[in-house]
Amino acid sequence: AQSVTQPDIHITVSEGASLELRCNYSYGATPYLFWYVQSPGQGLQLLLKYFSGDTLVQGIKGFEAEFKRSQSSFNLRKPSVHWSDAAEYFCAVGALGTYKYIFGTGTRLKVLA
Amino acid sequence: DSGVTQTPKHLITATGQRVTLRCSPRSGDLSVYWYQQSLDQGLQFLIQYYNGEERAKGNILERFSAQQFPDLHSELNLSSLELGDSALYFCASSAYSGLSYNEQFFGPGTRLTVL
Repeated sequence: AQSVTQPDIHITVSEGASLELRCNYSYGATPYLFWYVQSPGQGLQLLLKYFSGDTLVQGIKGFEAEFKRSQSSFNLRKPSVHWSDAAEYFCAVGALGTYKYIFGTGTRLKVLA
Repeated sequence: DSGVTQTPKHLITATGQRVTLRCSPRSGDLSVYWYQQSLDQGLQFLIQYYNGEERAKGNILERFSAQQFPDLHSELNLSSLELGDSALYFCASSAYSGLSYNEQFFGPGTRLTVL
């Protein structure tokens, strides 16, 4: 069965520090992978997506993610975190023909000034 | 702003009642998806419509139903409400269904509180 695991429920980093949020997926075929961000009281905003091609994907707000097939991972990174990045981050997997996303449980990011 | 609109923003009702949540997809998007976000279950896919037809069902209770109208807006109907139905309900839309993969754009959600 398809699944997405985000092992870190909470992460705290200092402003200006680097960030890596982990995402592991389980799926038999090539997945389509997404990272979304949810600010408090807001909907989900797409940060970046991987469909095929270059395994290092650039997104909005300075985020990037790397698809590693051998590790079934799609980790999200940012070299320097800003206070406004405090939010909850969701990794999702989709597959052609299934019509839906499967979301991870989310990682809540706290940024210290 | 994703272009997906949802009304109402907040809804407070009592157990046993029935409510309707409304979603208007992005202009041109034919697919609408409904998700439920609760503290204990996380983000769960409920149901998808494509151009008026139901395409996929997820963890949707029998007390819940949805439809997509000719103008492509969608409504999610929740009946015989229970305390556990309190959650944030998201609508998302995308351009295609099954022929290729397109990202989903999410609305701001409707927060349902059942008292």
